[in-house]
Amino acid sequence: SQQGEEDPQALSIQEGENATMNCSYKTSINNLQWYRQNSGRGLVHLILIRSNEREKHSGRLRVTLDTSKKSSSLLITASRAADTASYFCATDAVQAGTALIFGKGTTLSVSS
Amino acid sequence: GAVVSQHPSWVICKSGTSVKIECRSLDFQATTMFWYRQFPKQSLMLMATSNEGSKATYEQGVEKDKFLINHASLTLSTLTVTSAHPEDSSFYICSARFQGVNTIYFGEGSWLTVV
Repeated sequence: SQQGEEDPQALSIQEGENATMNCSYKTSINNLQWYRQNSGRGLVHLILIRSNEREKHSGRLRVTLDTSKKSSSLLITASRAADTASYFCATDAVQAGTALIFGKGTTLSVSS
Repeated sequence: GAVVSQHPSWVICKSGTSVKIECRSLDFQATTMFWYRQFPKQSLMLMATSNEGSKATYEQGVEKDKFLINHASLTLSTLTVTSAHPEDSSFYICSARFQGVNTIYFGEGSWLTVV
């Protein structure tokens, strides 16, 4: 099962530009997490935002969470070619012991 | 270092054979482990939830007789793809929740190619 949609599905930008990805979900959550996945590789955990938080920063990453709209956004500032990857949001439901459910992901391509 | 380890990272098998993928939690007891499948250019789809000592709970559309999951200890869960076919070729990744810690860790994933 998947929680919802991410948009855009694909995003192409130039180095130095900002990249914004959005994620929507359906159920009540404890937290929402963003992951990066390079082609053919495993997941890299980027950031976790709890349901009672509205915004969180980590380096060049900024995540927002709007629980009333059941949506989140990931902003990558001053993008680099090395940021080229697929980005997924994953929700951790309120029900204890459940799996993370992933969105469909955004494929980001940063050209130099 | 890795908290959850998967093995093998890559496996190629002939159609009709069975393949076992292991997911181990290192230094922690994993009360619950999860198995995902990811086809190329798609997202991770949850296949099943595995609790130590009990039968796995499979997601709708996942054949429990084809994807055998065993969680015999708090540190090891295995996924066996039985009678594998080319359409089972995919990236399989496990994750684990640790007892007393509400954190999920992912394994590195296993690429299965069925020829």
